[in-house]
Amino acid sequence: TQLLEQSPQFLSIQEGENLTVYCNSSSVFSSLQWYRQEPGEGPVLLVTVVTGGEVKKLKRLTFQFGDARKDSSLHITAAQPGDTGLYLCAHHPNQGGKLIFGQGTELSVKP
Amino acid sequence: GAGVSQSPRYKVAKRGQDVALRCDPISGHVSLFWYQQALGQGPEFLTYFQNEAQLDKSGLPSDRFFAERPEGSVSTLKIQRTQQEDSAVYLCASSPPGLSTGELFFGEGSRLTVL
Repeated sequence: TQLLEQSPQFLSIQEGENLTVYCNSSSVFSSLQWYRQEPGEGPVLLVTVVTGGEVKKLKRLTFQFGDARKDSSLHITAAQPGDTGLYLCAHHPNQGGKLIFGQGTELSVKP
Repeated sequence: GAGVSQSPRYKVAKRGQDVALRCDPISGHVSLFWYQQALGQGPEFLTYFQNEAQLDKSGLPSDRFFAERPEGSVSTLKIQRTQQEDSAVYLCASSPPGLSTGELFFGEGSRLTVL
């Protein structure tokens, strides 16, 4: 099983600050997904990255897939309280079928 | 409904009781997944169906856990003789056939508390 290590585990910041969270593994991935989960809800897909070195932007969120496809990062610019939630990276070990998640980064953005 | 529907949203059980959790996937989605999530942690895979076939049950923690999807649509996760360590949120997800991104669509979860 390819393990996904996320860091930091917890992050508490003030509105307007920037932050980066990381997802690392010793294994190469064919693709990687990022989900956000708000309290009391299920995870919702933010982005899928497929190509090494790929950068994708979603408003104030920037996702990067490492050149070697072993790691990924999520950068949030000017965080807002609405960004609060659990950020999860995930991958499919077998090109479909089950999705394996990291342990998540719990982000709290205070107004 | 438009999304994955799970019931009950909250369940309190006494230790030793049996519980059944229901999942209604998005119409037309052939794949259905069950996950267990502890507070503040990532979801842990339990089992996976494609239509009515259970293709992977490697994540079920013990033989007290059983899942079925007899007609390839609604699924039920049953936990027999519940223990305190079974307390968690149980998430159901579905995905359509042939989706290259592999996106899973999740329900809101069923929160189980075992006293």
